[in-house]
Order: sequence, then C-alpha cells, then structure tokens
Amino acid sequence: AQTVTQSQPEMSVQEAETVTLSCTYDTSENNYYLFWYKQPPSRQMILVIRQEAYKQQNATENRFSVNFQKAAKSFSLKISDSQLGDTAMYFCAFDTGTASKLTFGTGTRLQVTL
Amino acid sequence: NAGVTQTPKFQVLKTGQSMTLQCAQDMNHNSMYWYRQDPGMGLRLIYYSASEGTTDKGEVPNGYNVSRLNKREFSLRLESAAPSQTSVYFCASSGYPQAKNIQYFGAGTRLSVL
Repeated sequence: AQTVTQSQPEMSVQEAETVTLSCTYDTSENNYYLFWYKQPPSRQMILVIRQEAYKQQNATENRFSVNFQKAAKSFSLKISDSQLGDTAMYFCAFDTGTASKLTFGTGTRLQVTL
Repeated sequence: NAGVTQTPKFQVLKTGQSMTLQCAQDMNHNSMYWYRQDPGMGLRLIYYSASEGTTDKGEVPNGYNVSRLNKREFSLRLESAAPSQTSVYFCASSGYPQAKNIQYFGAGTRLSVL
C-alpha cells in the first residue's frame, strides 16, 4: 500500500517570501502521479500542481514549483512570492495511475502573514 | 460550468437515521469518487466508480453504500448513521478530456451525527 507523509503540520511565511512544503511517499510502483492540492477556508479542494513520475523535469505553475526526487521518494512544493491568498491547508497526494485512486497526506497548514 | 455539485452542503442526523448524499458532474467524466475528511487527516477514499455501472470499495467503505445512477451521478448512502461518520464528505470526478488522473472536487458536505 502507498503512504504519503507530510511532516510539517503548520508553517508560516511572510508575504512576498518563499516557502517550501515537504512531502515523502512510499511505493513500489515505477509509474505514478503526484499532486499538491490546496484547501482554503472555503473547504474547496483546488489542484495546485501535478507531476508525472516518468518525467524528470520538475513541474511548475506560475509561482508554484516542485522538487521531485524520485530515488528519495520526495516531492516538495515551493511557493515563491507568497500572497495572503495562499493561506490554506496543502495536501500532497499520490496516484498509481491504474485506477486513479488518490492517497493523501495529513496536510500542512500554511499561514501567510503581512 | 458547474463542475462537481454536491447536495446537501450541511446535514445533521441522529444516530440510526439514514440519508443519501448526492453528487453530479457535468464534465462527462467516466470516474467518480467519494472521500471523507476527518480533523487532522487527509482525505480517505470510501468508494469509487471507474465507469458507469461499476463500483469498488476504497480504504474506508464500512457503513456506506454507493450507487452510480448514470454517468453524471454518484450517490453515497448511510443506512444507519453513527457518530463515527461525522465528517466532511467530498465527491470528485476524473477523466477525458481533462488530463489523466486529475480529480476535480465538489465543495463538500459537512455531516454531523448526534
């Protein structure tokens, strides 16, 4: 079974600064997908970024980028130029790709301050 | 586009009562999912439907039943609610034409069982 671990329950960053959220996972699969989802106070789950394991290039989406280390089974999210609207819970998730069943980590609560 | 629509948004039940959570998507996706989210935990998969006419158990199926009514709709039923089922429930869908394995979530249903 796959497991996803987020070891930082809470983090804080000042506006305009950069923050990195950590995620590690455990799997015996070779092909899979990794995701970061954002959950603001509205409770809506919003996809931030997606990484396909067979691609060596790290995914980027505007201010959001990942550092994907396949051998280390690490998938961290970097948020640059943090904004107040980035305040949310961030969940790392894993999908083997065969049945698209997501396994989530326990989340990191990010607070962006002035 | 409405995306994934869940009803109701809030519900309070007494122990032993039954209810059905409704979910509909307008993206013509083949796959649909039900998750629950408890405090301090990530989302956990209850049931999923890879295509119309099929359903399978996820990580935490006990106490629930599902029906894939048609391609658009996937309902979750609690036959005899228990306090342990107090949670936030999310429905999601995935499939063509969106990118493979990306799940789109509804706004959630907050359920309290007294």
